[in-house]
Amino acid sequence: GAVVSQHPSRVICKSGTSVKIECRSLDFQATTMFWYRQFPKQSLMLMATSNEGSKATYEQGVEKDKFLINHASLTLSTLTVTSAHPEDSSFYICSARDGLAGEQETQYFGPGTRLLVL
Amino acid sequence: GEDVEQSLFLSVREGDSSVINCTYTDSSSTYLYWYKQEPGAGLQLLTYIFSNMDMKQDQRLTVLLNKKDKHLSLRIADTQTGDSAIYFCAESIAAASKLTFGTGTRLQVTL
Repeated sequence: GAVVSQHPSRVICKSGTSVKIECRSLDFQATTMFWYRQFPKQSLMLMATSNEGSKATYEQGVEKDKFLINHASLTLSTLTVTSAHPEDSSFYICSARDGLAGEQETQYFGPGTRLLVL
Repeated sequence: GEDVEQSLFLSVREGDSSVINCTYTDSSSTYLYWYKQEPGAGLQLLTYIFSNMDMKQDQRLTVLLNKKDKHLSLRIADTQTGDSAIYFCAESIAAASKLTFGTGTRLQVTL
């Protein structure tokens, strides 16, 4: 099946710094990518939907100035957590949709990035 | 808004069948999915079903959908220790739409 990678897999940073997480579709072109956040022992919550070449659509309650999303190419989307604080510590997972797969396609998930803010 | 509920925990013995249940509230849900998440890992799509189907079988996995009651279940036959994980159901109104995930069910398989 389709492969989505994330980098880094885990990151520890100091409070106040910014962290960039990359999401890549390795063998298909992703017209749409989704960013989810998962707190320990909880479900995944959608943060934003990212379409290539346009601004991301953020879910209610997600600060767009804090979580910057860039989808500059059909294979790469980045999430930057700006001025990170300990409450931003979480598991961030991206998914990508194959734009050429037709109606029956689904989302392919990356392995996730664990962020710990000290 | 959409709401997807699952029981939190299920324990079964190796070799038995597991049944994980999910209820959802959005009547416009068109696609319903089951994902598996192992500790510290991302999500693996197990199977999905369209809302116009009642059942889908894929090897050891059987998905049943009761659209009237908005109830979805995943049956795993001959459950193995490698099946121990968290299972999420999810729904979307279209293949290209965002997914709304359930709360997740932790499946524990004992010897």
